[in-house]
Amino acid sequence: DTAVSQTPKYLVTQMGNDKSIKCEQNLGHDTMYWYKQDSKKFLKIMFSYNNKELIINETVPNRFSPKSPDKAHLNLHINSLELGDSAVYFCASSQTDTYQPQHFGDGTRLSIL
Amino acid sequence: ELKVEQNPLFLSMQEGKNYTIYCNYSTTSDRLYWYRQDPGKSLESLFVLLSNGAVKQEGRLMASLDTKARLSTLHITAAVHDLSATYFCAVPLYNNNDMRFGAGTRLTVKP
Repeated sequence: DTAVSQTPKYLVTQMGNDKSIKCEQNLGHDTMYWYKQDSKKFLKIMFSYNNKELIINETVPNRFSPKSPDKAHLNLHINSLELGDSAVYFCASSQTDTYQPQHFGDGTRLSIL
Repeated sequence: ELKVEQNPLFLSMQEGKNYTIYCNYSTTSDRLYWYRQDPGKSLESLFVLLSNGAVKQEGRLMASLDTKARLSTLHITAAVHDLSATYFCAVPLYNNNDMRFGAGTRLTVKP
């Protein structure tokens, strides 16, 4: 029973392409997140959605667009991929108004050729 | 802006030794989280520290929180190879929606 699942696990593509990463959680949480982890392991929040509403939108290029069809899903679409987009992208979820930690997916390793 | 600083960033230690990882943060928070990440894997929650003076222990790891000093420590006792991983501390900015992570401490335990 995977709590937070992301697909695909690996994504290798060329510069300029458009790609999507999907995330689903079965924990019943009301908030989902996207994080970017660079090659130095630094983890930075990109977006946060609470009950399908965008709460956090950090300084992220407009090429990145999150979509939340329902509170169990948060997808990330990336247009016109650039070399600097190469990273591991993690999806996470949590329940607001609790002190429980965020639960992370296994990550999607994106490599731009 | 909330800043979360960990040190050391890299730690190589021998099995059986003790060491402490430090996490400082710049704004008021009464909560702090520790996560572990194995190479190529996801982040796994280790400890949730919810108040000043909180102390949690799991096996050879013990975490504490001093909210007045804005400092958390992760103490490793008698390290074993299985503890090799990257350890992150994280502090919520307002609520659980906005979590700021430290840069991580990459721990290597050598025989």
